[in-house]
Amino acid sequence: AQSVTQLGSHVSVSEGALVLLRCNYSSSVPPYLFWYVQYPNQGLQLLLKYTSAATLVKGINGFEAEFKKSETSFHLTKPSAHMSDAAEYFCAVSGGYNKLIFGAGTRLAVHP
Amino acid sequence: GAVVSQHPSRVICKSGTSVKIECRSLDFQATTMFWYRQFPKQSLMLMATSNEGSKATYEQGVEKDKFLINHASLTLSTLTVTSAHPEDSSFYICSATNYENTEAFFGQGTRLTVV
Repeated sequence: AQSVTQLGSHVSVSEGALVLLRCNYSSSVPPYLFWYVQYPNQGLQLLLKYTSAATLVKGINGFEAEFKKSETSFHLTKPSAHMSDAAEYFCAVSGGYNKLIFGAGTRLAVHP
Repeated sequence: GAVVSQHPSRVICKSGTSVKIECRSLDFQATTMFWYRQFPKQSLMLMATSNEGSKATYEQGVEKDKFLINHASLTLSTLTVTSAHPEDSSFYICSATNYENTEAFFGQGTRLTVV
């Protein structure tokens, strides 16, 4: 079985500061891991994905994530936050054949 | 990435009526589609998995007679909420995939409000 835990339902940063959103996973098989962003009343946009290639994955909008098997983590980072990054972020693990199990989500607020 | 279109984006219906939501893969053949439900300020919960030409597989706790899923072609799956009630009001999102992809592609979502 697969599961995802996102630590911190709300994260607040200043514009220009480092963004760190935490995600830990549990999987009985080698996982595929994803980060999505959701703006209010919209669908999901894929930021990046890990599919067992390079452990450091670079995504869109300056985001990246590092797969750490020993820590069962897949934290999302961005060196410098922008106001437009304010949104809900979901970490997800593939439960087999692209069936996604989502974490509870982290709401990122960016202050000027 | 591939394009998945979901329609309608918003729908308001009266309690007791049925509502159909369509999920279309526009530029690839989707052998599998997934339906998710998202309550306000919550995460996405998988409702069911539908494979083209087969009956959908529902997650535990999801009423299959209330949420009818049809996946009759490789580009279209529909979710029908039957005898809708206010507690069915939610954001419904579909995703589509096939054996060639390492990810599923999401529709824009449908905001259902039952009054």
